[in-house]
Amino acid sequence: ETGVTQSPTHLIKTRGQQVTLRCSSQSGHNTVSWYQQALGQGPQFIFQYYREEENGRGNFPPRFSGLQFPNYSSELNVNALELDDSALYLCASSIKGGTFEQYFGPGTRLTVT
Amino acid sequence: GENVEQHPSTLSVQEGDSAVIKCTYSDSASNYFPWYKQELGKRPQLIIDIRSNVGEKKDQRIAVTLNKTAKHFSLHITETQPEDSAVYFCAASTNGANNLFFGTGTRLTVIP
Repeated sequence: ETGVTQSPTHLIKTRGQQVTLRCSSQSGHNTVSWYQQALGQGPQFIFQYYREEENGRGNFPPRFSGLQFPNYSSELNVNALELDDSALYLCASSIKGGTFEQYFGPGTRLTVT
Repeated sequence: GENVEQHPSTLSVQEGDSAVIKCTYSDSASNYFPWYKQELGKRPQLIIDIRSNVGEKKDQRIAVTLNKTAKHFSLHITETQPEDSAVYFCAASTNGANNLFFGTGTRLTVIP
């Protein structure tokens, strides 16, 4: 198992609400990427954080936002939740400028009703 | 942007047989190609990866091949075991720690 942790494990929210998901990266890793995995599909890149700044973004609207903290942990915030936001949210940690591997956390299963 | 296609979507093999999963990519700038195994309800687990400066890499029963000219790469699992049953995803990236573009996944079932 990797050292990447995520919380909470599961979450149920109502359409229009806001949610915050958390990720702690593996020791020594300075970069966190967030992915959305809909049921039966591959993970889709949301954005990446490096040195506490967004360092690349996929095709997701601005209501998806994030933060990275000095200890390299990260948050994903989603505002104005929609039914289609129901998915498994995965974070992956890596070392920018180091080895190429990205290691995933166990994910947060978000259900929007 | 990068587009990764993966085939087949499902694959059933008898225990002990080999399994091959194929992926193609569109962006010639991609230079890192990992493979992930995801069991039901669990995280994607990195099982093997290859960089564009090599054509093949092996790790025990698992191997990956890369053809940069044709822009395709493949996962080969030999002597399959029931515990190999899972969904396998290929991915492509420019310089690894950047965003990964994933294929749509292959559900592998190994029949005892």
